[in-house]
Amino acid sequence: EVQLVQSGTEVKKPGESLEISCEVSGYSFTNYWIAWVRQMPGKGLEWLGLVYPGDSDTRYSPSSQGRVTMSVDRSSGTAYLQWSSLKAADTALYFCARVNMLTGHYFDYWGQGTVVTVSS
Amino acid sequence: SSELTQDPPVSVALGQTVRISCQGASLRSYYANWYQQKPGQAPILVIYDKMKRPSGIPDRFSASGSGDTASLTIAGAQADDEATYYCNSRDSSDNLYVFGPGTEVTVL
Repeated sequence: EVQLVQSGTEVKKPGESLEISCEVSGYSFTNYWIAWVRQMPGKGLEWLGLVYPGDSDTRYSPSSQGRVTMSVDRSSGTAYLQWSSLKAADTALYFCARVNMLTGHYFDYWGQGTVVTVSS
Repeated sequence: SSELTQDPPVSVALGQTVRISCQGASLRSYYANWYQQKPGQAPILVIYDKMKRPSGIPDRFSASGSGDTASLTIAGAQADDEATYYCNSRDSSDNLYVFGPGTEVTVL
């Protein structure tokens, strides 16, 4: 069974750093891109970027470029989303999702989400 | 980057059929996918590659599309179908993937 399990709720202050995780199981981690998707309070879904566990290649959306870093640990089957200096505007629910590119491109399995709250 | 637009909130009587749409230039080049999201939960893929249904998704969910428009149909809506539905596709700009704003479906 494919599963993506994300780390727990985070409450941080502006300027602090943060790393959230997404541990996968049930498939070969290095064969599928992992996407990160943001959902700001009361809003819709927004794609932030991709990371390919096979070689750590990344693609960022224009809005997330320079704001976040995506990485993986192949030994543990875990993908990470990192901030070096959080802002209040980073407050959101963050999802990781497996990207299936066998035919079209779609997000076929999702993590349960990680709530990040940034407040002074 | 391209944008996807979706219908405003809709309501459907229990057991009736509802069709929601998604429109955008990216749909002329790439397949539409549809996701169901209930409050506080992760999205679930209900349709991929314009009209394919993942295993475990009821056959009351179907989809179609032509040109720059894609549609999701729920035939015989159930109370459990009450959710927000997002369309998404690839995009040819630097923003590789785009989501629509979502359509909230209420089952009466």
